[in-house]
Amino acid sequence: GAVVSQHPSWVICKSGTSVKIECRSLDFQATTMFWYRQFPKQSLMLMATSNEGSKATYEQGVEKDKFLINHASLTLSTLTVTSAHPEDSSFYICSAIGVGTDTQYFGPGTRLTVL
Amino acid sequence: EDKVVQSPLSLVVHEGDTVTLNCSYEVTNFRSLLWYKQEKKAPTFLFMLTSSGIEKKSGRLSSILDKKELFSILNITATQTGDSAIYLCATTGNTPLVFGKGTRLSVIA
Repeated sequence: GAVVSQHPSWVICKSGTSVKIECRSLDFQATTMFWYRQFPKQSLMLMATSNEGSKATYEQGVEKDKFLINHASLTLSTLTVTSAHPEDSSFYICSAIGVGTDTQYFGPGTRLTVL
Repeated sequence: EDKVVQSPLSLVVHEGDTVTLNCSYEVTNFRSLLWYKQEKKAPTFLFMLTSSGIEKKSGRLSSILDKKELFSILNITATQTGDSAIYLCATTGNTPLVFGKGTRLSVIA
């Protein structure tokens, strides 16, 4: 089945630093990847849609200069949280869609804690 | 605006019980409905439904879609403690994926 990995699984950083999270589709090519954020006991919130080779499309209310997304290849998308602050602490999850399908397969998520 | 509503929000049952989780939706240009199970980490895919009336089955889990009444159900028979999780329903249409708030299922021994 389709496998999506994320790295790192868990990161703790100081306020003001930047953190990069990687999302890889391991056994399929993903033309589109998505980045979600999930707060405790809440559902997933779509942050942005990332298409290979083009700029990401951000959802309303998501700062594109704060959450930089790069979809450099058909198997890799990265999310960089710039100048992180404690309120950015959350569970960040990526998903990927293969060509010609609607099913999103999720990565295992990255828990970010900003001190 | 696309909307997905799940019920109940939370459910506690005993092992061996059968549960039915509900998902209703209002989606522009509906394409598919997906069910996911979320435990401690990210959601894992269960089913994708695109056609009305065709039951999808995997072990003790089954799901069916009614495109006329705009809802889907997820059934779990002979529940086990390992079924405890949040079950998420999501739809695709004009928006890539719209999630419901989920149903938190707790199965107690």
